[in-house]
Amino acid sequence: AQSVTQLDSHVSVSEGTPVLLRCNYSSSYSPSLFWYVQHPNKGLQLLLKYTSAATLVKGINGFEAEFKKSETSFHLTKPSAHMSDAAEYFCVVSGPSGGYQKVTFGTGTKLQVIP
Amino acid sequence: GAVVSQHPSRVICKSGTSVKIECRSLDFQATTMFWYRQFPKQSLMLMATSNEGSKATYEQGVEKDKFLINHASLTLSTLTVTSAHPEDSSFYICSARVAGLTDTQYFGPGTRLTVL
Repeated sequence: AQSVTQLDSHVSVSEGTPVLLRCNYSSSYSPSLFWYVQHPNKGLQLLLKYTSAATLVKGINGFEAEFKKSETSFHLTKPSAHMSDAAEYFCVVSGPSGGYQKVTFGTGTKLQVIP
Repeated sequence: GAVVSQHPSRVICKSGTSVKIECRSLDFQATTMFWYRQFPKQSLMLMATSNEGSKATYEQGVEKDKFLINHASLTLSTLTVTSAHPEDSSFYICSARVAGLTDTQYFGPGTRLTVL
């Protein structure tokens, strides 16, 4: 069984300040973990993914995430928020289940960037 | 990068009609495609997994006779909403998994369906 919890449904930051979007997961196996971003009325864009290589993963648009097995966390960070970062962010876990790869989405975190 | 397209981006139809949504992988072959439904301000709900050349696997609670899925080639999957009703109005998103890679999905831009 696997699950993913995004701890904040809404996060608000000022432009130029750091961003932290929190994600915790549970999995019976070593999972793959992803962060996707969705702008209004758009599909999802892959920001970054972790697949058991380096624990600090760098993605697009200056985002990065650190896999911490001891804390079962995969938090998304960015040093300095930009107005264009305002969107919905989904943490996703993928792992084997019943012979196929099961993907579980978090409930999403809406990031608001204040000018 | 891997690009997935959907057509149409928006569709409005009358209650009782059927609507077909196409999902294409433009620059890669996708042995597996996924169809999701997203309600306003909610996360994505997986409806079905579509494997090229075989029947789709539907998630629990999803009516396979209402949501017909065809994955006829390695670059195209279609979702047909049959006898649509207002409660079927939603944002439908497809994704495709690159052949040979087991976990990364690339998403289409979504289709907004409104049933009057």
